[in-house]
Amino acid sequence: QLQLQESGPGLVKPSETLSLTCTVSGASLSSSIYYWGWIRQPPGKGLEWIGNIFYSGTTYYNPSLKSRVTTSLDTSRNQFSLNLRSVTATDTAVYYCARESVGSAGERYDSWGQGTLVTVSS
Amino acid sequence: AIQLTQSPSSLSASVGDRVTITCRASQGISSALAWYQQKPGKAPKLLIYEASTLESGVPSRFSGSGSWTDFTLTINGLQPEDFATYSCQQFYSYPLTFGGGTKVEIK
Repeated sequence: QLQLQESGPGLVKPSETLSLTCTVSGASLSSSIYYWGWIRQPPGKGLEWIGNIFYSGTTYYNPSLKSRVTTSLDTSRNQFSLNLRSVTATDTAVYYCARESVGSAGERYDSWGQGTLVTVSS
Repeated sequence: AIQLTQSPSSLSASVGDRVTITCRASQGISSALAWYQQKPGKAPKLLIYEASTLESGVPSRFSGSGSWTDFTLTINGLQPEDFATYSCQQFYSYPLTFGGGTKVEIK
């Protein structure tokens, strides 16, 4: 059974770096039929796509965050990570990791982590 | 970036009602659209992908239709567990984008 679990600090100071890890069980990060993504949701607001990473290391980022975002894969640990630099209060959100299935049937985020609230505050 | 506009932003309905939510794309996206259901404090749950394909395990009262710029999510016979927020997402091009969400509340 596929499970994704986010982990990382729940409180980050302004101007510092937000770092989260998603641990995946029940699927391999090395598969060519999945992308691994990060999505966030500020309190009371809608969903915002942050970025995707493919098993090859290819990344796609939201242009609104691109200058501050880095994602990476650790296939030996079956984990992928998010780093968001120079955070401000507007980066306070629930952060989700998710699996995107790709292929001829259509793309979709079909599995999500439970989400982790990250608050940016001094 | 492709913008997705959902309407309405909220609605009130009764158990048993038929509910329709629309998602309009700022440019054509073929059928590359998914719908999610989200309950408070929970992660989004995939309902529909490729505009009209029902995700495995999702009740058949949920259906999706449309292509290019205009899409619809329909719930036939609203159930108590369906009161939630529904969001669309396009996969046609990067950056991936979401609609603003539609909150379905109990009348």
